[in-house]
Amino acid sequence: GAVVSQHPSRVICKSGTSVKIECRSLDFQATTMFWYRQFPKQSLMLMATSNEGSKATYEQGVEKDKFLINHASLTLSTLTVTSAHPEDSSFYICSAREGRKNSPLHFGNGTRLTVT
Amino acid sequence: AQSVSQHNHHVILSEAASLELGCNYSYGGTVNLFWYVQYPGQHLQLLLKYFSGDPLVKGIKGFEAEFIKSKFSFNLRKPSVQWSDTAEYFCAVNALGAGSYQLTFGKGTKLSVIP
Repeated sequence: GAVVSQHPSRVICKSGTSVKIECRSLDFQATTMFWYRQFPKQSLMLMATSNEGSKATYEQGVEKDKFLINHASLTLSTLTVTSAHPEDSSFYICSAREGRKNSPLHFGNGTRLTVT
Repeated sequence: AQSVSQHNHHVILSEAASLELGCNYSYGGTVNLFWYVQYPGQHLQLLLKYFSGDPLVKGIKGFEAEFIKSKFSFNLRKPSVQWSDTAEYFCAVNALGAGSYQLTFGKGTKLSVIP
């Protein structure tokens, strides 16, 4: 079945540094990928929709200059958390949908980001 | 905007008990509905989905869900749970026409099955 690979699974960084998270669709082409953030004891929240070859669409309240999304190819999207702060510590998950009609979303394993 | 409500935050059952997890959504238009499961230490996996047709949907591992349009509900059921069903379950709604791929999740229900 379709697989989405997300890397790294865990990352610890210092305040003020930037962290890049990669999301790859391994055996299908994903024209659209999605980035979610999960706060403790809360639901997954959609951060942005990443479209191959164009600018990402950010949800209300998500800082586009802080969470940089690049979707350079049909199999890769990256999320860069710039100038990270401790409040950015969270669980980030990407997902991708195959191009065919009514295909479900496939999720990556998620990335646990801890900013010290 | 659409929203999804999962009524139970934590459900504890003994093995062989029957399970029903509630999910209600708010959106007046056409929806696609999903249940995802996240086993301890693993990533989210699709359990089942409803797009159209028979409102009773059967998924993997003996799970099923029924879409009741009049009640805006998509409850998840399993006749007899096993210890291996211990996981967190997320209901999700894709409101068609409100952003074609936007998926709104409920807060999740943690299921603990006692052997």
